[in-house]
Amino acid sequence: NAGVTQTPKFQVLKTGQSMTLQCAQDMNHNSMYWYRQDPGMGLRLIYYSASEGTTDKGEVPNGYNVSRLNKREFSLRLESAAPSQTSVYFCASNDRQQPTDTQYFGPGTRLTVL
Amino acid sequence: EDKVVQSPLSLVVHEGDTVTLNCSYEVTNFRSLLWYKQEKKAPTFLFMLTSSGIEKKSGRLSSILDKKELFSILNITATQTGDSAIYLCAVVNQGGKLIFGQGTELSVKP
Repeated sequence: NAGVTQTPKFQVLKTGQSMTLQCAQDMNHNSMYWYRQDPGMGLRLIYYSASEGTTDKGEVPNGYNVSRLNKREFSLRLESAAPSQTSVYFCASNDRQQPTDTQYFGPGTRLTVL
Repeated sequence: EDKVVQSPLSLVVHEGDTVTLNCSYEVTNFRSLLWYKQEKKAPTFLFMLTSSGIEKKSGRLSSILDKKELFSILNITATQTGDSAIYLCAVVNQGGKLIFGQGTELSVKP
């Protein structure tokens, strides 16, 4: 049982390049989330998917797109990377049907945009 | 606008000290409050609080929620160097969305 996995762990991009961050969970959770974490700003929600087939914008969606490929996988795409997108990206999942609100986090992707 | 504010933002203590971390919130349709510990990787879950005045305890860590005054505290007694981490507070609204505070960076010196 791997929990939440993310790839890659590290990435360096040049301004204008595109890339996709991958996330998968094996806990049969309905809901999945993408956050970015910047110093002094805490975790900010980029996009989330409450269930397979649905996605919604979070607090900071500009410059990103997402795809909920199936129940397990939720990817985050940067179409044209900018230095302001340098951050650590976390994927998380939970099952809102359960009494606990705990979200389980992946190990993170450290992205640098030059 | 929903908001969660943690204080202090950073704290340096010595082993054996007791620390209190604060989390205040303004969130419509509050459902629960979560505390996470983050070392050099992903956040790990500590506590979930839903009711006022009921202390949750795990070893040297404890937490309590005050829904009237809209805050929670996280206490760590007899701190150890392994407690050094960022402590994150998040409030969950009725839609299930988490709103995070900025985090408190705790450094415990030997």
